[in-house]
Amino acid sequence: NAGVTQTPKFRVLKTGQSMTLLCAQDMNHEYMYWYRQDPGMGLRLIHYSVGEGTTAKGEVPDGYNVSRLKKQNFLLGLESAAPSQTSVYFCASSYQAGLAGVTDTQYFGPGTRLTVL
Amino acid sequence: GEDVEQSLFLSVREGDSSVINCTYTDSSSTYLYWYKQEPGAGLQLLTYIFSNMDMKQDQRLTVLLNKKDKHLSLRIADTQTGDSAIYFCAESIPLDSNYQLIWGAGTKLIIKP
Repeated sequence: NAGVTQTPKFRVLKTGQSMTLLCAQDMNHEYMYWYRQDPGMGLRLIHYSVGEGTTAKGEVPDGYNVSRLKKQNFLLGLESAAPSQTSVYFCASSYQAGLAGVTDTQYFGPGTRLTVL
Repeated sequence: GEDVEQSLFLSVREGDSSVINCTYTDSSSTYLYWYKQEPGAGLQLLTYIFSNMDMKQDQRLTVLLNKKDKHLSLRIADTQTGDSAIYFCAESIPLDSNYQLIWGAGTKLIIKP
């Protein structure tokens, strides 16, 4: 069981370039999330998915797009990178059945450190 | 809106107890979590408490929840150098038919020899 994996681990982009971050999980989780982590701030949710083929906006979705074509993968795209998107990006997954008594524990990947110059 | 607040730093001596505090604003939270992030790594679930509990103990960890004051704390007994990390508090609140985690900014635990 690899858990949640993310690629790449590091990336440097120039302003205006595009890239895709890949998240994969092998726990058969329905829910997947993309967060960004910035110094002195809590994790902020960018987008999330409640199942294959579905996506929804989180707290800070602007400038990002996502896709969940397969249950185990959740892709985060930056179409035109900006310096404000310099951050550490974390992917997470959970069962989150949304039922009383069921925890929605999220399992995290190791993160992708992105710098936009 | 919903908010979770934590101090950014806590410094303790090795062998002492560490107490990391967290306050939250949303009274509809179902579960409250403590996650640990070691340098260069992702977050790992440390422990959690259901909102109708006051206390949960797990080996060196004790979680206290004061629902009236919306205050959560994590006590680490006999703090070791391996406990050096950033500790995040998070609350789970209903969002439509699902749940959303609201995160604190994290408390960096610094261990002095």
